Parts: sequence; structure tokens; C-alpha cells
Amino acid sequence: QVQLQESGPGLVKSSETLSLTCTVSGGSISYHYWSWIRQPPGKGLEWIGYIFHSGSTNYNPSLESRVTISVDASKNQFALKLSSVTAADTAVYYCARVVVGSTRKWVDPLGQGTLVSVSS
Amino acid sequence: QTVVTQEPSLTVSPGGTVTLTCASSTGAVTSGNHPNWFQQKPGQAPRALIYSTTYKHSWTPARFSGSLLGGKAALTLSGVQPEDEAEYYCLLYYGDSQLVFGGGTKLTVL
Repeated sequence: QVQLQESGPGLVKSSETLSLTCTVSGGSISYHYWSWIRQPPGKGLEWIGYIFHSGSTNYNPSLESRVTISVDASKNQFALKLSSVTAADTAVYYCARVVVGSTRKWVDPLGQGTLVSVSS
Repeated sequence: QTVVTQEPSLTVSPGGTVTLTCASSTGAVTSGNHPNWFQQKPGQAPRALIYSTTYKHSWTPARFSGSLLGGKAALTLSGVQPEDEAEYYCLLYYGDSQLVFGGGTKLTVL
């Protein structure tokens, strides 16, 4: 079955760019939508955005000015870049598959998550 | 900015029944919002339970069910087990462009 694994630095300096990669295994990235979700310590889940395998994107309006999601089909990976980070961007970041059918939509699976801390 | 609201916390006795709800600031939640429900236990990634209002994933226990109730999405647990103690999140889809999570409900089994 499809599995997702996040990778990237666990520590980013304030004002710099957070970069994460999600590797998809057990299936092709050339279908479905692929999403990033985050969860600050002790807080709830926040949808960051998603990308279709063709490259079209949609972002959370609250983050849109700082977010870029891209896909590399040759590596079966998609990536997140979040610029000008602050301490408020410290969170566990999850990647996920978003399945959009004609009558049903779901998010599954999610990766195990990776903690990214922003230091001053 | 769209806000999705859940009960912050609920308590239920083992074997009892509890309903969690999910409301949208834009109005009534409909099947077009494709409500999804997730369970998250401490230190773990969220696990998908319900999608498109009522559909269960293959691993979702039968005691979990989804519905629309009074303009909200609802997740009902019948015959609650101690292992159901967790945080529960709903997710709503808005058109083809936006997904919004609710703030989560902390369910205590006591």
C-alpha cells in the first residue's frame, strides 16, 4: 500500500526557509493530490496546501504568501518550502495523499511526521 | 477566513455513546464538504476514520459512524472502549481549493 515519509532538517533559523521532502512508496505520485499538514506542539492540525500531480497547487490563504509546494514525478517525491519562518512555524509537519473521486474525498495515508523547530 | 468548530472536550463512560460535532462558519455543513474524521493519540500521527460524511476506511471499527446532524457533521462512537480516548479532528473541503481542519475534540473515557 502507499506509504509516505517526510525528510529534511529538524532545525531552521528564524527568517530562513524551511524545506521538506515527502517520498511516496508503494504507488505512483502521478495520480491524486499531495498535501502538507502541520501541527504546532500541543495544538491542532493545520492544512498548508496541496499539489496535483500535474503541478497545479492550492494553498491555505493564511500561508499562501510564504508557501511553495512542488512535485518531482521522476523521484516520486513532492516538496514543501516555507519562507521567512518564525517561532510560530515550529511544528510537526505531515505529508499526506488527498484522494478526490467523483463522489468521495479523503486524506490517507499520512506520513509519520517530522518535527521542525525554528531557532532564533 | 473559514473556521471549523468542534467541542473542545467531551467525557464518556466505557460502553456509552458519544457524538462529536463539526460546524462551519460559512453555514450548514453538507455532503459537499465531504467531512473527514481523524483520530490522534499522543505521539502518533492522525489516523483517518471516516470520509465523505459516512464512509469508513477498512480499518475503522464498526462502533464509529459518521453523519450530518442539525447542519453539522457528526461522529458517533457507540459502545466506547478505553482505547477510544484520543483527540478527534474533522476536516472539511470547500469547493476544489480549500481544506480546513476543526480545532479538535479531546475525548476522555472515564
